[in-house]
Amino acid sequence: NAGVTQTPKFRILKIGQSMTLQCTQDMNHNYMYWYRQDPGMGLKLIYYSVGAGITDKGEVPNGYNVSRSTTEDFPLRLELAAPSQTSVYFCASSYGEETQYFGPGTRLLVL
Amino acid sequence: GESVGLHLPTLSVQEGDNSIINCAYSNSASDYFIWYKQESGKGPQFIIDIRSNMDKRQGQRVTVLLNKTVKHLSLQIAATQPGDSAVYFCAETAGASGNTPLVFGKGTRLSVIA
Repeated sequence: NAGVTQTPKFRILKIGQSMTLQCTQDMNHNYMYWYRQDPGMGLKLIYYSVGAGITDKGEVPNGYNVSRSTTEDFPLRLELAAPSQTSVYFCASSYGEETQYFGPGTRLLVL
Repeated sequence: GESVGLHLPTLSVQEGDNSIINCAYSNSASDYFIWYKQESGKGPQFIIDIRSNMDKRQGQRVTVLLNKTVKHLSLQIAATQPGDSAVYFCAETAGASGNTPLVFGKGTRLSVIA
């Protein structure tokens, strides 16, 4: 199993641009999550999904959108990039509500 | 609101000594706790977990202790090695329904001195 994979690894965006962060898991997990981690800080939950077709807001959803059309994929969309969205983004998945398995992260810089 | 926090942001330990990383939580309904390790440039990695019906759980060189009375969680690492240098996060959740995702603490950076 590849586990949780994320693309791209690194991206630079200009203010106002849009992009989609991709996340795929091959463990047949129902639950998937998106977090952001600012330098020297912990993880903040952006959005999560408990199954295909179901998404819920986390702690910091503003400026982001998600969709969950399949069990495997959980893309995160930034519509109008802002400098405040400069961060490292982690996708995670879990079988249930407990242990989450994380991807390697996407480093995003908005200038 | 409810939060998970850590007592110490940084911890320096001599190689071979034992490390203790502490975590306080405020949600009395939390029933499941996890410790994660995050190495530089990588995603968090599961270390060990514990349910609220337990006080102690041991893994390989790691032990998690849970004190529900004072809402305190600790991670003990025996014979700390240079490879243990990382940021350690505690996380907690209060639900079995999936509608209460994990809440992460800010993290403690562990530095092992050779």
